[in-house]
Amino acid sequence: DAGVTQSPTHLIKTRGQQVTLRCSPKSGHDTVSWYQQALGQGPQFIFQYYEEEERQRGNFPDRFSGHQFPNYSSELNVNALLLGDSALYLCASSASGGAGETQYFGPGTRLLVL
Amino acid sequence: AQSVAQPEDQVNVAEGNPLTVKCTYSVSGNPYLFWYVQYPNRGLQFLLKYITGDNLVKGSYGFEAEFNKSQTSFHLKKPSALVSDSALYFCAVRDNTGGFKTIFGAGTRLFVKA
Repeated sequence: DAGVTQSPTHLIKTRGQQVTLRCSPKSGHDTVSWYQQALGQGPQFIFQYYEEEERQRGNFPDRFSGHQFPNYSSELNVNALLLGDSALYLCASSASGGAGETQYFGPGTRLLVL
Repeated sequence: AQSVAQPEDQVNVAEGNPLTVKCTYSVSGNPYLFWYVQYPNRGLQFLLKYITGDNLVKGSYGFEAEFNKSQTSFHLKKPSALVSDSALYFCAVRDNTGGFKTIFGAGTRLFVKA
């Protein structure tokens, strides 16, 4: 049973560029959440997607957007990249049983903005 | 507002000794509490969670955690530490007031010395 997968594993971009990160959820999961983990910090919630809609959003600007596809996979898009966007981006999937459901994380995409 | 505090940046313990990693939380409603472990350059692995019921929760790899409502704490424990337990540990919280946003602590680095 494949767990959560993310691509690419590493990415280097320059300021002002745009980036798309991809996530495939664990089998049987229909909910995907995205987190940003800066160096030395805990993950910070960006948003969660369920039924192809953004269900809840954290304190991130509109430069951060996402999408969920009918097969439950998801994309995170970041426009107008800033140096401060350099971080590990984590995708987590869960079943749609409610707020008590366990989230399972992928290995992450490490983004470096130069 | 939800918040999580992990008061220790690092915990040092000798192999074979018991370990405790501390976590306190603040939520509006009833808490859902989670512990995750992160190894270098990896995503987060789920260890255990408290939703309701018994205050002592048992999880993966011999870890357990005790929910204390009066002290708003959810400390992670293990009776006998292994060198392989050395990693970064994160406590996380959601609440039952309808939100799906997960708040993570800043993490505690556990170092187990042989």
